[in-house]
Amino acid sequence: AQSVTQPDIHITVSEGASLELRCNYSYGATPYLFWYVQSPGQGLQLLLKYFSGDTLVQGIKGFEAEFKRSQSSFNLRKPSVHWSDAAEYFCAVGDPTGGSYIPTFGRGTSLIVHP
Amino acid sequence: DAMVIQNPRYQVTQFGKPVTLSCSQTLNHNVMYWYQQKSSQAPKLLFHYYDKDFNNEADTPDNFQSRRPNTSFCFLDIRSPGLGDAAMYLCATSREGKDEKLFFGSGTQLSVL
Repeated sequence: AQSVTQPDIHITVSEGASLELRCNYSYGATPYLFWYVQSPGQGLQLLLKYFSGDTLVQGIKGFEAEFKRSQSSFNLRKPSVHWSDAAEYFCAVGDPTGGSYIPTFGRGTSLIVHP
Repeated sequence: DAMVIQNPRYQVTQFGKPVTLSCSQTLNHNVMYWYQQKSSQAPKLLFHYYDKDFNNEADTPDNFQSRRPNTSFCFLDIRSPGLGDAAMYLCATSREGKDEKLFFGSGTQLSVL
């Protein structure tokens, strides 16, 4: 079965600084990969997804992520963080062999933004 | 706006007292999901429906049941809540297909006293 590891429980950055959130997956082939964001008191919202093709994917709110097969990683990046980006970020993986895009989530990384 | 609505936002129940959480959607999506999210943990899929076809995850306790009377509504029934069932319960929807994203409701925070 597929699984996801987000090694950082909390990340603190200053507003305007760049951001990288780490995600590693365990899967025998190329999985479906997702990043979701959860603001306080809200449900999860899809930022971006990777199924195939270009390994650098662009998402909403200025986020991007890069799929690196050799490292089994799908790290999320943003060049300049805004205070409104403070939230919980979840990496997730789906199983293409079953045609399932149903995500299995990592435990999340909490992003704290200092002014 | 089309959306996924969960009621209530907060639910308090007593140990062993049955409780039902509700989810409705105006997106006309044919797939609906229930996730359990405990504090500082990953959301965990409990079950999902493709239309009326129910799909239970292997490790979902029997204490958890679900009903989907029509496309718009889905219910999560916890027959005998234990203290360990206190969590955020998230409902989500999607259109069936490889390239569809999940749309989440804001969740119901369940407390068990």
